Amino acid sequence: DAKTTQPPSMDCAEGRAANLPCNHSTISGNEYVYWYRQIHSQGPQYIIHGLKNNETNEMASLIITEDRKSSTLILPHATLRDTAVYYCIVRVRSGGGADGLTFGKGTHLIIQP
Amino acid sequence: NAGVTQTPKFQVLKTGQSMTLQCAQDMNHEYMSWYRQDPGMGLRLIHYSVGAGITDQGEVPNGYNVSRSTTEDFPLRLLSAAPSQTSVYFCASSSPAGTYYEQYFGPGTRLTVT
Repeated sequence: DAKTTQPPSMDCAEGRAANLPCNHSTISGNEYVYWYRQIHSQGPQYIIHGLKNNETNEMASLIITEDRKSSTLILPHATLRDTAVYYCIVRVRSGGGADGLTFGKGTHLIIQP
Repeated sequence: NAGVTQTPKFQVLKTGQSMTLQCAQDMNHEYMSWYRQDPGMGLRLIHYSVGAGITDQGEVPNGYNVSRSTTEDFPLRLLSAAPSQTSVYFCASSSPAGTYYEQYFGPGTRLTVT
């Protein structure tokens, strides 16, 4: 699996867009980018995933560069409840994912009131 | 649906004691996994199962046993607890019908070994 690099922490003002970068320069053609988050003391929560096209769902948008070597997760209107550790994970797509995800240290996003 | 449930929420063990962490899911997911998370670290995979009767080792399996006799349950057994096993344990499930790694996580069990 490709390695990912994320900043250890970021701040964002409440109501603003939070843009979380992820570098995955060794990504291969069949690897997807997944984003999870972990709110303090809770289990991780799936946010979004993508291959090469930009993706949007009710929680966030994912922008992947054309060369696929980096991506940005965008929370359009951050709230205090978005304070969490955000994990960028690169994995080959296969059904279910039983053999697990590799969680690095992620980015601790702090939303400031 | 309750989703993924874990019991107990908290546990304190003495070194050398054994115990079982329980995990259950009611989503009819075939895939289930156990992770541990140490302070300030990401999650690491302990064991996983692709269906009843089938288990395999993850990244950090030593000191843990698992079995999968039903689709719903995936208990994790600590054979002889050690202080190094102090951690938060998360169970997760997912469906092979899914086309991506959308895993559903339980609330965790916080284990302290003294």
